[in-house]
Amino acid sequence: EDQVTQSPEALRLQEGESSSLNCSYTVSGLRGLFWYRQDPGKGPEFLFTLYSAGEEKEKERLKATLTKKESFLHITAPKPEDSATYLCVITQGGSEKLVFGKGTKLTVNP
Amino acid sequence: EAGVAQSPRYKIIEKRQSVAFWCNPISGHATLYWYQQILGQGPKLLIQFQNNGVVDDSQLPKDRFSAERLKGVDSTLKIQPAKLEDSAVYLCASSFGTRDYEQYFGPGTRLTVT
Repeated sequence: EDQVTQSPEALRLQEGESSSLNCSYTVSGLRGLFWYRQDPGKGPEFLFTLYSAGEEKEKERLKATLTKKESFLHITAPKPEDSATYLCVITQGGSEKLVFGKGTKLTVNP
Repeated sequence: EAGVAQSPRYKIIEKRQSVAFWCNPISGHATLYWYQQILGQGPKLLIQFQNNGVVDDSQLPKDRFSAERLKGVDSTLKIQPAKLEDSAVYLCASSFGTRDYEQYFGPGTRLTVT
């Protein structure tokens, strides 16, 4: 059973069209939730760490938020260079291991 | 600062053959990870080293996969013999500490088993 579920699997936006990506998790004792970005042919790149419900982090056009059951990655006025796969990652109490979701592939058209 | 280096970038082998991947982490990073990423999925941890000791290898198929990290720096991941289902991208990552969730990934090695 998947512990991390991301939706949608793929998302196409026009440049400037804001939207949100969803990550829901089922583990108890969440230690931390992280967002990574992965470009084709490259390894994932760290974006954010969130530790507690209500926490928010921002970086350029991206804002990540966390509730007790899910996280959202909000993309405001995206640009074509924001096109990538965004991976949601968790760790749970007692383990330092990162558990990755399958990702949301974002395409931003000019 | 140099990133995580991996080689080769691509490898095609036949099933039952052997293959090895090499990783050089970021200088000063004590923790090294090997992940397997199958197409359309997120990376899955295979093994984690702290310096040259194994921290977690619970998801490493030990009957065919092996890994070592000599002198706590470079690491090698080996598959012997390979199966068709081993076709994937093998990612190496490193971090400063064991509880450092900001991991730095290399570009990966794309393995195709025919």
